[in-house]
Parts: sequence; structure tokens; C-alpha cells
Amino acid sequence: GAGVSQTPSNKVTEKGKYVELRCDPISGHTALYWYRQSLGQGPEFLIYFQGTGAADDSGLPNDRFFAVRPEGSVSTLKIQRTERGDSAVYLCASSLWGGHTGELFFGEGSRLTVL
Amino acid sequence: AQSVTQLDSQVPVFEEAPVELRCNYSSSVSVYLFWYVQYPNQGLQLLLKYLSGSTLVKGINGFEAEFNKSQTSFHLRKPSVHISDTAEYFCAVSDTGNQFYFGTGTSLTVIP
Repeated sequence: GAGVSQTPSNKVTEKGKYVELRCDPISGHTALYWYRQSLGQGPEFLIYFQGTGAADDSGLPNDRFFAVRPEGSVSTLKIQRTERGDSAVYLCASSLWGGHTGELFFGEGSRLTVL
Repeated sequence: AQSVTQLDSQVPVFEEAPVELRCNYSSSVSVYLFWYVQYPNQGLQLLLKYLSGSTLVKGINGFEAEFNKSQTSFHLRKPSVHISDTAEYFCAVSDTGNQFYFGTGTSLTVIP
């Protein structure tokens, strides 16, 4: 498709389980971002990739969170030992030049609910 | 690090009335400024951006914003709103162009 695609759109899991969220960016976009949006809050930065490498992972809350982008396209956000506080909408965005053009293209998000 | 403050969490306004959504940021360096809109059940979309040049920037759907460096503000305005403008609006700032910091959002509700 033409836009950023995120799967699954909804994920319900139990506390302590492992979760993977996938992002398929716009073709040719070298920069990829992960954000987390809790109810009533703005998007909170998690990690930014330029190509295959994580250029900035300072927003990852702890070592239970990890993200990869092995071929510089699709990215997977991995959350181990999920906690109820991880419940949020996880947003992915991509950009052609890493943001200097100013436009991030967002997916519709993956809503994670941890019971 | 940058921070963004959106002073109004909810703004109700009657159809065809003007609206201003306020945004202030903190930064000691040059910044890029953005407004994004999120319609119900959709992803965020760019409304407009300030990178350099003219401080008055025009975006889609009749929105505009003015960058005021002395007041560190980037307020969003529209002279006449439509029902279809009902959405969540987010102000964002970036200094390097790599990391974007978002405000907590303003929910605009247009009343018929």
C-alpha cells in the first residue's frame, strides 16, 4: 500500500506475555520512528531508525522494550514480560530524510491492551 | 531536551467561528515546528510546518500558524471552522530533525 502499515491493529494479551508489533513503512523511506500514545497524551518518542541502525533509542522505557529493522524496511517492536502499564497505542512513522523535511507519515497504530 | 505545552486540552467552538489553538515550546536552539491532526480512528497527518523563512505558514484545510520566536509560540488558527475540523490537534517540535516532541494535544469540537 501507499501508506505506513501497522499490524496488528489490536492486540490483547495477559500480563507477563511477549508481544511483537510490526511496522511496514512507506517504500523508500529511510527513517522510521516508534512512538507510544497513552490515553489523553501526545505521542511519546521511543526509538528512531536511520536505515538498519537505531540512531536514537533514548525513549525506550526499559530493557523489556526492543526494536529491530534488519533490512532497513520493516521494523518490529518487541515487548517482553508485558505489564499493565504498557497498555497504549503504539504508533509507527516513516520519513524520507529523517525528519529534516518535516513530515512524518504515521500509521494508524497498534492498540495494545495488557490484562 | 525540548518540551511542548498545549495550553488548552479541549476547545469547543461553533461552526463558522474562528479558532486559535495555542502551543508554546521550550528550546534554546533553533527548532522546527509542526502541527499534526488526528481524526477519529485515523493516524496523525501533517497540517503544516515551520522550517525557516516566513513566520506565517499556511497548511491544509485553511489552517495557518505563526512562529513567534520571542514568545516561543506557534499558535494554530483558522478563521472559520467546519464540522469536519472536529479532531485532536498536536503541536510538535524538533531541533535536530530526528526526534520530534509532541504536546499533549487539543481536542477541537465544532458545534453545529
